[in-house]
Order: sequence, then structure tokens, then C-alpha cells
Amino acid sequence: QSALTQPASVSGSPGQSITISCTGTSSDIGGYNYVSWYQQQPGKAPKLIIYDVSDRPSGVSNRFSGSKSGNTASLTISGLQTEDEADYYCSSYTGSGTLGVFGGGTKLTVL
Amino acid sequence: QVHLVESGGGVVQPGRSLRLSCAASGFPLSSYVMYWVRQAPGEGLEWVAVISRDGGDEYYGGSVKGRFTISRDNSKDTLYLQMTSLRADDTAVYYCARDLGTSSFQIDCWGQGTLVTVSS
Repeated sequence: QSALTQPASVSGSPGQSITISCTGTSSDIGGYNYVSWYQQQPGKAPKLIIYDVSDRPSGVSNRFSGSKSGNTASLTISGLQTEDEADYYCSSYTGSGTLGVFGGGTKLTVL
Repeated sequence: QVHLVESGGGVVQPGRSLRLSCAASGFPLSSYVMYWVRQAPGEGLEWVAVISRDGGDEYYGGSVKGRFTISRDNSKDTLYLQMTSLRADDTAVYYCARDLGTSSFQIDCWGQGTLVTVSS
């Protein structure tokens, strides 16, 4: 299973909005509504911020939103804050009897 | 409070074995599919293995299949990863992780990770 494709880096200024794309195939993103996004601060474990394409866990800011169109999922962060600077990973279910697949990760810089 | 704590990492020579443990607290381990995920230094996340709630089904990533074994002891609320024939490219932080509840490779709880370094 090949990794999902994410941009290596994105940047934005405080208060702006950014979108991170995550491209897969019909065998993963396009075939299921089990796309999740994780935020990882340096030296820390990842944290779930979006699941089931667009749902937010309790306690996650509503500045984070997710969507999907065809084989591409997207994470949008609105009202960027300096604390949002982190690595972001997408992941998708790929069917029963196999492991899931992660994206390569995107480093967000808040300028 | 839900908590996962890994242990057992360290420095090991190529070809040797190591067993990681993950102690769960704050929830019944038996109710959740569990995963091991790893992250090589400076690299991204990689699914390593998954195990069903009762331990009857397990699946592995291609790079570890045949060398690693995931298991669980629900009576002890503990998850394991037995690693054999270790290679330099197995060097990584290994995370124990809990499924969201839908067996869908979505993780709602991660351990702090344990570093495994394979080096002579």
C-alpha cells in the first residue's frame, strides 16, 4: 500500500486560513469515509484532530475542519495561531484484512 | 483517564530480539482494537501491526511481517510487540495506540512512545 500524498510543507500568517491536501486512490480515501487527521508537535505523540473525514473529537477547536472529494481529503485550519505550528498527518482505512495508510506528513509553519 | 504507557525500548544489536509492552489504564483493553505505529527519526508515521479485540486476528505491515508479532493479554490490560531479527531500519519510536471504536484505523489515544535503536 503506497503512502497517501501530502505537501511537504505549507505556511501561513496568524489569522489566515490554510488547507492541507491528502491524495490517495479509490482503494483508500475514495472508497471509505474513514479519513483521520493528526497533529504532532515536536517530541510529542500525535493527537487526533479529525476523524470520519470531517468530525472533530471533543476538545478540538472548531478552527479545524475536514472534507473529502473523490480520492482527495483536505484539512483546513482557519484563524491560524502560532500554536498550530506542527506536523500534520492524514490517514485512511484501506479495507478489512489490511493495515491503514498514512500520508507522508505536512509541516505547517506559522509565519 | 485513558492512558497508554509503553516500555521495553532500548538499544539492541542487529539480528537480536526485543519485546515491547503497553500498559492500558482507564478503559477495558478488551473492548478495543489496538495498534502499533512507529516513526523513524525525522520521518513520518507507519502502521506496524493491528490486533482484534480478542486477539484472534492480527495483521502486519510488509516491512515487519514474519519478524514481528503483536499480542495482547486482556486480563492484564497489556499489549505486546515481539520483535525479532531486528534491522537498522527498524530504528524508530514505537507507539501503542487505541482504535477510535469503529475498527477503522483511526486512533483516539496514543502512548508516549518508546524508542528502539538497532545498532551494533
